[in-house]
Amino acid sequence: EIVLTQSPATLSLSPGERATLSCRASQGINRYIAWYQQKPGQAPRLLIYDASYRATGIPARFSGSGSGTDFSLTISSLEPEDSAVYYCQQRSNWPPYTFGQGTKLEIK
Amino acid sequence: QVQLVESGGGVVQPGGSLRLSCAASGFSFSTYDMHWVRQAPGKGLEWVAFTRHDGSEKHYANSVKGRFIVSRDNSKSTLYLQMSSLRVEDTAKYFCAKEFVTVIRGITIKQYFGDWGQGALVIVSS
Repeated sequence: EIVLTQSPATLSLSPGERATLSCRASQGINRYIAWYQQKPGQAPRLLIYDASYRATGIPARFSGSGSGTDFSLTISSLEPEDSAVYYCQQRSNWPPYTFGQGTKLEIK
Repeated sequence: QVQLVESGGGVVQPGGSLRLSCAASGFSFSTYDMHWVRQAPGKGLEWVAFTRHDGSEKHYANSVKGRFIVSRDNSKSTLYLQMSSLRVEDTAKYFCAKEFVTVIRGITIKQYFGDWGQGALVIVSS
């Protein structure tokens, strides 16, 4: 089973700042990773797939990069509504599909 | 637009059973692979089960294998999760999710979770 480790656990930044969230896989997964955003009381929303492709309707300030074992999600200029928990998920070796434990992003 | 509506959640004693349903609309249900994903209170996401669009292939997380059964009725556009021998650690919100599918440069990309329901809460407690 591929383990995804996200860092940091919590990130606190101000509006307009740049956020970089990391996800490390326990073995190489090519570029087969997605990022999701989950706000309190809501279902997750797909943001990025295959490491760097934005899903439909996702603002351009969200971008993804990486390959192999190290991946990142970058939010270029934070908006208050970006406050959420962000999860990475791999599809390289399944079952099972696995998620990271999440990074909580707080906007000051 | 895609709609996924889960139902059937509730409180059940350890060892009991429960069946969740997920009514789908707004897309051709019979052509999409579907998943169940759960989230324990205050915790992260855990993939639970997968079914191929025609039910011909199914997979389960080790934590539920042998206790949960995923099924679907394409004539009713409904996905099911039959849960048996429930444990306290199965307490979670259960989401059904439609598999995301796209094609980029002739390559089909799948196996992500593109649309989600609002979830059904299952509490296993004595």
